[in-house]
Amino acid sequence: GDSVTQMEGPVTLSEEAFLTINCTYTATGYPSLFWYVQYPGEGLQLLLKATKADDKGSNKGFEATYRKETTSFHLEKGSVQVSDSAVYFCALRTPSNDYKLSFGAGTTVTVRA
Amino acid sequence: GAGVSQSPSNKVTEKGKDVELRCDPISGHTALYWYRQRLGQGLEFLIYFQGNSAPDKSGLPSDRFSAERTGESVSTLTIQRTQQEDSAVYLCASRAGTAHYGYTFGSGTRLTVV
Repeated sequence: GDSVTQMEGPVTLSEEAFLTINCTYTATGYPSLFWYVQYPGEGLQLLLKATKADDKGSNKGFEATYRKETTSFHLEKGSVQVSDSAVYFCALRTPSNDYKLSFGAGTTVTVRA
Repeated sequence: GAGVSQSPSNKVTEKGKDVELRCDPISGHTALYWYRQRLGQGLEFLIYFQGNSAPDKSGLPSDRFSAERTGESVSTLTIQRTQQEDSAVYLCASRAGTAHYGYTFGSGTRLTVV
């Protein structure tokens, strides 16, 4: 079945550090890939998405590239801020289940000043 | 409303009691989802409502779990005879019509069964 595997957290960084959160997937067909973010006390929000191989999603300084050859969608940010402290979820949607998202376990990121 | 509203935000219940969780979706959103997140795990799909179509209940873990939705409005998730393994955050999301990406999540209900 469809599944998403994320690197385990928690991740603790200093401000202006480089952040990478690894995400790999297993899916039937060609999925669409997403990163969601959950800030403390808030609901999940879509951060970025990519719908086909080699697409790069970007938002708020974050980027992720859809790599079909490695079935990966790693999230990166070059210089994090305290306000980036949140839980990050990788997710996918496949054409055979086009109304459902399959989520990874989430990675908690804490950025210290 | 402006966002998806869930209530209560926290619920502590004794094992064996029934609980009811509520979700108010964004007005006009025809699709509504319930997900469960156990500690340290990903979001687990529970149930999906789309307009007046029969819901997809394939994710409900047992017959103790049920959900209802009246039209395109409020949904309630009911857990009967709660067990400790039901402890989790229950998340509701809604989206407009056929939009594939436009999920809006609520802040969730944290259920603790003691």
